[in-house]
Amino acid sequence: AQKITQTQPGMFVQEKEAVTLDCTYDTSDPSYGLFWYKQPSSGEMIFLIYQGSYDQQNATEGRYSLNFQKARKSANLVISASQLGDSAMYFCAMREGARANAGKSTFGDGTTLTVKP
Amino acid sequence: NAGVTQTPKFRVLKTGQSMTLLCAQDMNHEYMYWYRQDPGMGLRLIHYSVGEGTTAKGEVPDGYNVSRLKKQNFLLGLESAAPSQTSVYFCASSGETGLYGYTFGSGTRLTVV
Repeated sequence: AQKITQTQPGMFVQEKEAVTLDCTYDTSDPSYGLFWYKQPSSGEMIFLIYQGSYDQQNATEGRYSLNFQKARKSANLVISASQLGDSAMYFCAMREGARANAGKSTFGDGTTLTVKP
Repeated sequence: NAGVTQTPKFRVLKTGQSMTLLCAQDMNHEYMYWYRQDPGMGLRLIHYSVGEGTTAKGEVPDGYNVSRLKKQNFLLGLESAAPSQTSVYFCASSGETGLYGYTFGSGTRLTVV
C-alpha cells in the first residue's frame, strides 16, 4: 500500500528566508507522481508542483522547487524567499501512475507553515 | 471557466438525515474523486469514478454512496448521517493519471449533530 509521511506537524520561517518541508513516501509502483498542495486558512486546495517518478531533474515552479531523491524515497518541498502569504497547510501527495489504478492519490497529514514578519 | 464546483458549501444535519453533495466540473475530465478531510489530517479517499457510469470504492467508503450519471457530475450521498461523518468533503477531478495534479472544489463543511 502507498504511504506518505510528513514528519513536521508545524514549521516556522522568517519572511524572505527559505524553508524545506519534508515528505517521504513508500510505494511498489515504478510509475508514480508526487505532488504538493497548499491549503490556506480559507480552506481550498491549491496544486503547487509535480514530480514524475521518471523525471531526471527536480521540478521547479516559481519560488517552489521539489527536491526529489528517489533512492531515499523523499520529495521535499523547498519554498524560497518566504512571504507572509505562504502561511498555510501544505500537503504532500502521491498519485499512482498506472491507468488501472485510476489515478488515486494518497495524502500525508500535512505541515502547517507559519511565516513570521 | 468555473473548474470544479461543489454545492452546498456548508450544511448541518441531524443524525439519521440524508443528503446529497453535488460536484460539477466543466473541464471534460474523465476522473473524479470524493475525499474527506478530518481536523489535523490529510485527505482520505471515499469513492472515485473513472468515467461516466462507473464508480468504485476508496479507502473509507462505508456510509456513503455515489453516482456518475453524467460525465460532468459526481454525486456523493449520505443515506443516514452519523456524527462520525462530520468532516470537510472535497471533490476533485483530473484528465489523466499520474502526470496531472487534481483540480479541487472549494469543499463542503458538513456537521452532523
